Amino acid sequence: GAGVSQSPRYKVAKRGQDVALRCDPISGHVSLFWYQQALGQGPEFLTYFQNEAQLDKSGLPSDRFFAERPEGSVSTLKIQRTQQEDSAVYLCASSFGGGRNEQYFGPGTRLTVT
Amino acid sequence: GIQVEQSPPDLILQEGANSTLRCNFSDSVNNLQWFHQNPWGQLINLFYIPSGTKQNGRLSATTVATERYSLLYISSSQTTDSGVYFCAVDPGGYNKLIFGAGTRLAVHP
Repeated sequence: GAGVSQSPRYKVAKRGQDVALRCDPISGHVSLFWYQQALGQGPEFLTYFQNEAQLDKSGLPSDRFFAERPEGSVSTLKIQRTQQEDSAVYLCASSFGGGRNEQYFGPGTRLTVT
Repeated sequence: GIQVEQSPPDLILQEGANSTLRCNFSDSVNNLQWFHQNPWGQLINLFYIPSGTKQNGRLSATTVATERYSLLYISSSQTTDSGVYFCAVDPGGYNKLIFGAGTRLAVHP
């Protein structure tokens, strides 16, 4: 079916606003990942879900970042009280899991905090 | 944690030239992927190659896990090959990819 989709593609937020970024993984993919990519750098891991369980959130940079995947499909990354250093591209990826670990990435959401 | 180093950091080619990109990693890995990030930012899967050799058209890749490196070969390069090439590894089944800094490739006509 379709690949990983993300929305919105672009988001401009004023410093202090809350934002919510959405990820629709490939149908049937058990594992879902969020990454952050700063300009000119490689993506960096934020958090990982297996179905609805958040098994690793070691990459979340602060307690202002929160992710959920309540029904084991769509995931939302929420950033509260945005700061300028949060400006980046946020990438979502999914994989089948169960040993089939190739990750497929969405187009990303470019967040700019002014 | 594991270190992933890619070389060269930048590469400029004339259309039709061949090139080799290298990825070194500092520890054993369960998964290694090569991606091409196009000018629009989309990460495109090239190879899932924790070990061995694979080929797909003008591209091929080899991972020598025991020596902790992987190579990506691009033959007869085209302008559409331009972009950033990333190597990413999953160190020991942690289910997250650690990316290198990338190789920025520009192919000129």
